[in-house]
Amino acid sequence: QKEVEQNSGPLSVPEGAIASLNCTYSDRVSQSFFWYRQYSGKSPELIMSIYSNGDKEDGRFTAQLNKASQYVSLLIRDSQPSDSATYLCAVRATGQGNLIFGKGTKLSVKP
Amino acid sequence: DTEVTQTPKHLVMGMTNKKSLKCEQHMGHRAMYWYKQKAKKPPELMFVYSYEKLSINESVPSRFSPECPNSSLLNLHLHALQPEDSALYLCASSQEVGGGTGELFFGEGSRLTVL
Repeated sequence: QKEVEQNSGPLSVPEGAIASLNCTYSDRVSQSFFWYRQYSGKSPELIMSIYSNGDKEDGRFTAQLNKASQYVSLLIRDSQPSDSATYLCAVRATGQGNLIFGKGTKLSVKP
Repeated sequence: DTEVTQTPKHLVMGMTNKKSLKCEQHMGHRAMYWYKQKAKKPPELMFVYSYEKLSINESVPSRFSPECPNSSLLNLHLHALQPEDSALYLCASSQEVGGGTGELFFGEGSRLTVL
């Protein structure tokens, strides 16, 4: 059973701080990794995708991938209260199109 | 704004009703998906369509019946549902199954309540 593991939180950070979200996955041959943000009662919104080892930056978001350790993370710099949401890590099932989701980490940014 | 449109946004139905959820995308994607999401849980895959053909059925009960009339449309027909089927039903699309970037784009979801 292919699995994606996340710390469910809640993770609480003060406004302006860096939020660090972590994810591990079990399928060693996975190639595609994604972070989705989901506000309460809303659908998941894609915020980052990463395919190669290393860092990928987009505005205040940085995704980090380490395939050897089967680890992917998301850093949110200068966290804002509007970043408060559940962040879902997702891994593309090998040879298929569907994504396998972790249980999500709930982030709370306190003003 | 999402480019995957789902209707209706909310649906309340009895256990003997027949209803349908609809999804439409205009991104030229050839893969479409139905996911089910219960409160405080991650999305769970139900069905995958690739080039309008069903490619994955995750052992979903037959009271859920998917249909892909063309590459832009995806329906989920509902019949004789149970209260435990109440959930947020999410439609998503991607460029291809197994190809492209792998990015899935979700619609806003249809929140279903079964009485």
